[in-house]
Amino acid sequence: GNSVTQMEGPVTLSEEAFLTINCTYTATGYPSLFWYVQYPGEGLQLLLKATKADDKGSNKGFEATYRKETTSFHLEKGSVQVSDSAVYFCALSVNNNDMRFGAGTRLTVKP
Amino acid sequence: DTGVSQDPRHKITKRGQNVTFRCDPISEHNRLYWYRQTLGQGPEFLTYFQNEAQLEKSRLLSDRFSAERPKGSFSTLEIQRTEQGDSAMYLCASSLEADRDYLNYEQYFGPGTRLTVT
Repeated sequence: GNSVTQMEGPVTLSEEAFLTINCTYTATGYPSLFWYVQYPGEGLQLLLKATKADDKGSNKGFEATYRKETTSFHLEKGSVQVSDSAVYFCALSVNNNDMRFGAGTRLTVKP
Repeated sequence: DTGVSQDPRHKITKRGQNVTFRCDPISEHNRLYWYRQTLGQGPEFLTYFQNEAQLEKSRLLSDRFSAERPKGSFSTLEIQRTEQGDSAMYLCASSLEADRDYLNYEQYFGPGTRLTVT
């Protein structure tokens, strides 16, 4: 079935450090891939997405590239800020139906 | 546009009681989804509607769970005879499905209803 596996947390970084959160997927068909973010006390928000192989999604300095050959969609940011502290969820959707989420990775950025 | 809203935000109930949650999607969205999220996990899909039609319900956790969207606008999720294992955050999301428009597809999430069963 369709599923997402993402890097376990928690992840703690210093401000301006480089961030990578790994995400791999298993899917039948051609999924769209997403990263959602949940800031403390808030609901899930879409951070970025990619709908086909080799697409790169980007937003707020975060990037992720849809790699079909490695079935991956790793999240990266070159220089994290304290305000990036949140829980990040990788997700996939096939045919715009149900969204399958990973377990989430909690990121804490220290000043 | 006020986004997806859910009511109540918190619900505490005793085991065996029935509970009902409401979700109001973004007004022009024709799809509405329900998810459950337990501590330390990602959201788990339960069911979804396109307009008033419930297109997928096999993932509802048991026959104690049911959902409706009678007029294609707001939706309710009911849990009958609650159990302690039902304690979780229940999330609602909505999207606009327009002729398999994959490029613009996005689910917008509400703040959730946190259920505690004592």
